[in-house]
Amino acid sequence: EIVLTQSPDVLSVTPKEKVTITCRASQSIGSSLHWYQQKPDQSPKLLVKHASQSFSGVPSRFTGSGSGTDFTLTINSLEAEDAATYYCHQSNSLPGTFGQGTKVEIK
Amino acid sequence: EVQLVESGGGLVKPGGSLRLSCAASGFTFSSYSMTWVRQAPGKGLEWVSSITSSSDYIYYADSVKGRFTISRDNAKNSLFLQMNSLRAEDTGVYFCARLFALPAAPDYWGQGTLVTVSS
Repeated sequence: EIVLTQSPDVLSVTPKEKVTITCRASQSIGSSLHWYQQKPDQSPKLLVKHASQSFSGVPSRFTGSGSGTDFTLTINSLEAEDAATYYCHQSNSLPGTFGQGTKVEIK
Repeated sequence: EVQLVESGGGLVKPGGSLRLSCAASGFTFSSYSMTWVRQAPGKGLEWVSSITSSSDYIYYADSVKGRFTISRDNAKNSLFLQMNSLRAEDTGVYFCARLFALPAAPDYWGQGTLVTVSS
């Protein structure tokens, strides 16, 4: 099973700040890494697929990068509505695992 | 607009059974693989099972293999999850989702249905 480790677990940031969340895979997964945003009591929403492809309708401040084992989700100029938990997810091999989540709080 | 609406959740005793349903609309259901993902209360996301568009290939997490069965009815635009021999650790919100890549890469998700396994 491929283990995904996100860091940090929690981020407390002010609006307009730049946010960086990392996801490290226990073995190489190419670009089969996707990022999701989940707000309280809502279902997850896809932000970035295949490491760096923005999903339809997602604000341009959300960008992804990386390949192999190290990946990054960047939120440029954080907005208050971005308060949420962010998950990375790999589809390279079964089982399709998720990172433990990174909670972004607004100061 | 892609819509996925789950139903069938509820309270069940350990060892009991439940059948979850997911009604899909807004896209050609028969062209997409589908998946179930669950989330225990206050915890992260866990992939449960996936099924290809024609039901040719089916995949399960080890934690549910032999107890859960995924299926679909393309004529009725519906996805199902039959859950037997339920355990307390199966408690959580179950999400139905559409896949953009196999074996498990969802793009659109339903709102979820809560399953509680407790005596």
